[in-house]
Amino acid sequence: QSVLTQPPSASGTPGQRVIISCSGSSSNIGSNTVNWYQQLPGTAPRLLIYSNNQRPSGVPDRFSGSKSGTSASLAISGLQSEDEADYYCAAWDDSLNAFVFGTGSKVTVL
Amino acid sequence: EVQLVESGGGLVQPGGSLRLSCAASGFTFSSYWMNWVRQAPGKGLEWVANIKEDGSKKYYVDSVKGRFTISRDNAKNSLFLQMNSLRAEDTAVYYCARAITSTESYWGQGTLVTVSS
Repeated sequence: QSVLTQPPSASGTPGQRVIISCSGSSSNIGSNTVNWYQQLPGTAPRLLIYSNNQRPSGVPDRFSGSKSGTSASLAISGLQSEDEADYYCAAWDDSLNAFVFGTGSKVTVL
Repeated sequence: EVQLVESGGGLVQPGGSLRLSCAASGFTFSSYWMNWVRQAPGKGLEWVANIKEDGSKKYYVDSVKGRFTISRDNAKNSLFLQMNSLRAEDTAVYYCARAITSTESYWGQGTLVTVSS
C-alpha cells in the first residue's frame, strides 16, 4: 500500500486545466522534493517534473508542479488528447529509507 | 544515444531465482545512481532498489529486503538484480532506470518476470 495518495482519475475536455493532487506525510513530501512521472499506454514511465516544479528538457510548459507542506499537485493546462496517460507522484521517504510512488491517477481527455 | 536494455525476465516457479541484467550505453554509466522499478500487471509503479555510482550504497523496498540484491559492474556498464525466493506477488515488469529524480532521468523498456507454478 502506497504512502502517497492520489485520486484514481481525473478528466477534462481539450483546452481545459486539470489538477492532480498527491498527499503524503512529514517523512516524505514534508521533507523531500516531489517528482511526477507520466506513463503513456503501453510505454515506460518518463519523468515529467522533478524537484517539485522543474521540467526536464522536452517537457511542455503546459505541465507544472507545486508543493505545500505534505501535499503536492500537478497541473496540466491546455489539455491535449496526447496527455491521456497515468500520472504518478513520488518522493524519498526518510522513515522507510525508500523511494515511494503515489497510487497513480489516470487522466482522460473527454 | 542513451540506451538501457533489460534482459533476464521469464517464467519462474515460486521459491525460484532469477537474475535481471540491464545493459547501459550512450552515457558514462559510472556517474549515475541506478534503480530498479517494477509494475505488476494492471497496477501502479513500485520502486524496488537503487545503487550509488560506485556501488557503495544500496537501498531496498521492505518487501524485497533479504531476497533481492542490486549490484553493478561499471567496467561492463551493467546493472543487475538478483532475485531469490520469488513469490507470486513479485510478478511484474521490471524497469531499469537512471537518475529517476533528475533532469537526466532515463528508463528502459522493461522485462517481464512471471512467478507461477
